[in-house]
Amino acid sequence: DVKVTQSSRYLVKRTGEKVFLECVQDMDHENMFWYRQDPGLGLRLIYFSYDVKMKEKGDIPEGYSVSREKKERFSLILESASTNQTSMYLCASSSRGDRGPYEQYFGPGTRLTVT
Amino acid sequence: QKEVEQNSGPLSVPEGAIASLNCTYSDRGSQSFFWYRQYSGKSPELIMFIYSNGDKEDGRFTAQLNKASQYVSLLIRDSQPSDSATYLCRGDYKLSFGAGTTVTVRA
Repeated sequence: DVKVTQSSRYLVKRTGEKVFLECVQDMDHENMFWYRQDPGLGLRLIYFSYDVKMKEKGDIPEGYSVSREKKERFSLILESASTNQTSMYLCASSSRGDRGPYEQYFGPGTRLTVT
Repeated sequence: QKEVEQNSGPLSVPEGAIASLNCTYSDRGSQSFFWYRQYSGKSPELIMFIYSNGDKEDGRFTAQLNKASQYVSLLIRDSQPSDSATYLCRGDYKLSFGAGTTVTVRA
């Protein structure tokens, strides 16, 4: 069964802290993605990776960085958390289809609150 | 302008009716479109994708794509209470989703 796991379901951090969100997939997918979801704004792409050590900026990369050292693991890093980064963070993975990323499988999400 | 816009809803339909969801897009780079369903408190899951102009049917769901007019729609026939969810669309070029349309099916 397809599985994408995220390190935490709920996380509370203080302003200025460095925050790591981890995502692991067991499907040998090439592509991995980080989104944030806010009411009324849909899922906005932060970063994605199409191969180990490769990364591409999405629509809202400011204040975030990523790391992909192994194929199955994709980390999202908030260098200095701010209150406007309070959100639901969703990780996804997909195989590489003929027409770009195919079906994405999502993890359960991490609800991050920055106080 | 957002690359993907959805009729914001919320949409409330009686059980057994047709729910019609629309998505317009501005980026001409996308060739395929994906519809995801997200139940409250859960993660999105793919229900349909379409890459050719015209209709694609899968059970009670029909996706329609019109590349000239840059819109894609999703019809849910014989709506059931279990269809109550938020429906999200995206293209395959820009990977962000529309804001979603929340559908409530009244029993």
